[in-house]
Amino acid sequence: DAKTTQPPSMDCAEGRAANLPCNHSTISGNEYVYWYRQIHSQGPQYIIHGLKNNETNEMASLIITEDRKSSTLILPHATLRDTAVYYCIVRVAKYSGAGSYQLTFGKGTKLSVIP
Amino acid sequence: DAGITQSPRYKITETGRQVTLMCHQTWSHSYMFWYRQDLGHGLRLIYYSAAADITDKGEVPDGYVVSRSKTENFPLTLESATRSQTSVYFCASSEALATLGQYFGPGTRLTVT
Repeated sequence: DAKTTQPPSMDCAEGRAANLPCNHSTISGNEYVYWYRQIHSQGPQYIIHGLKNNETNEMASLIITEDRKSSTLILPHATLRDTAVYYCIVRVAKYSGAGSYQLTFGKGTKLSVIP
Repeated sequence: DAGITQSPRYKITETGRQVTLMCHQTWSHSYMFWYRQDLGHGLRLIYYSAAADITDKGEVPDGYVVSRSKTENFPLTLESATRSQTSVYFCASSEALATLGQYFGPGTRLTVT
């Protein structure tokens, strides 16, 4: 799976949009971009994923650049409950052995939403 | 309630004891997973299951046993607990192999003394 690079921390004012960047310059054509977050002492939470088109769901939007080498997760109106560590993961979307199921979380970005 | 639940949420046990951690999901997802999370190691896959009666090893399976007689349940057993198995254990489920997200339970914090 391609390696990802995220800033270690970010602050965002409550009510404003939080834009979390992720670089994945070695991404392959068959690899998806997934975003998860983990709020302190809770289980990881799936947010969104995409291949090459921008995606939106009730939680967030995912913007993937045309060359697919980077992406941005957007939380449109951040709340205090969005304070968490956000993980960008790139992985293939097909079975290629037991490792296909493994979610490899890097260090992620610690997002602090400020009142 | 719909979702994925784990029990117990906290457990303290002694070295050598057998411990079973329970995981239950109400979505009828085919795939279920057990991870452990430790400082400095991130999430590591212990076992996974593609369907009832189909299980396989992940990255760190030694010392653990799983079963899946029903789609909704995926218990994890530590046959003889060791201090190195002190960790936070997360169960997860997914509707599809890799094209969809995995949904995690709240975790079980296990301490082996």
